[in-house]
Amino acid sequence: DTAVSQTPKYLVTQMGNDKSIKCEQNLGHDTMYWYKQDSKKFLKIMFSYNNKELIINETVPNRFSPKSPDKAHLNLHINSLELGDSAVYFCASREGNTIYFGEGSWLTVV
Amino acid sequence: GDSVTQMEGPVTLSEEAFLTINCTYTATGYPSLFWYVQYPGEGLQLLLKATKADDKGSNKGFEATYRKETTSFHLEKGSVQVSDSAVYFCALSGQGGSEKLVFGKGTKLTVNP
Repeated sequence: DTAVSQTPKYLVTQMGNDKSIKCEQNLGHDTMYWYKQDSKKFLKIMFSYNNKELIINETVPNRFSPKSPDKAHLNLHINSLELGDSAVYFCASREGNTIYFGEGSWLTVV
Repeated sequence: GDSVTQMEGPVTLSEEAFLTINCTYTATGYPSLFWYVQYPGEGLQLLLKATKADDKGSNKGFEATYRKETTSFHLEKGSVQVSDSAVYFCALSGQGGSEKLVFGKGTKLTVNP
């Protein structure tokens, strides 16, 4: 069983499209995250939710909108995709001081 | 703010060589420290962690010791294998259960047979 699962794993789409990445964790954790890994492998937090409430928003463009329908899910919707949005997006959840990551979603905007 | 500095890569070693990847941090108080590993085409996996000074984290033959006096958390392995080829990330989580991880830029390791 995958503890933090995200779909799709690979996504290729055209500029201007709107797309979503879904994330689910079956660990019972209250806190979930989205991280972005750029082409140079640098990882940076985008959002954090605690029990469905937004607690961190790291100056991400408002084309990115996270949604947490319940504490086990944190989806990421991206409007009007741009070339620069091409990256790997990681969902994660936290227990205590340890964060567990999903497998990543490889987004390519063409 | 909090930050993590890792040695620049890439690092290329022969099988059975000794590995050290340096990591230093800047943070207030007593952060928790982590090493994550990303194998080619895969996600991030927690490799090891340490939550207080002088703690040693270890896993799969890798070790790192939390050194408060030098603000360091260097990753070591005595004998690397080809299967250890990956990108290694040092990270910290701030004191008091800070909500986010701050990552270093990653170090790519290639182990040749």
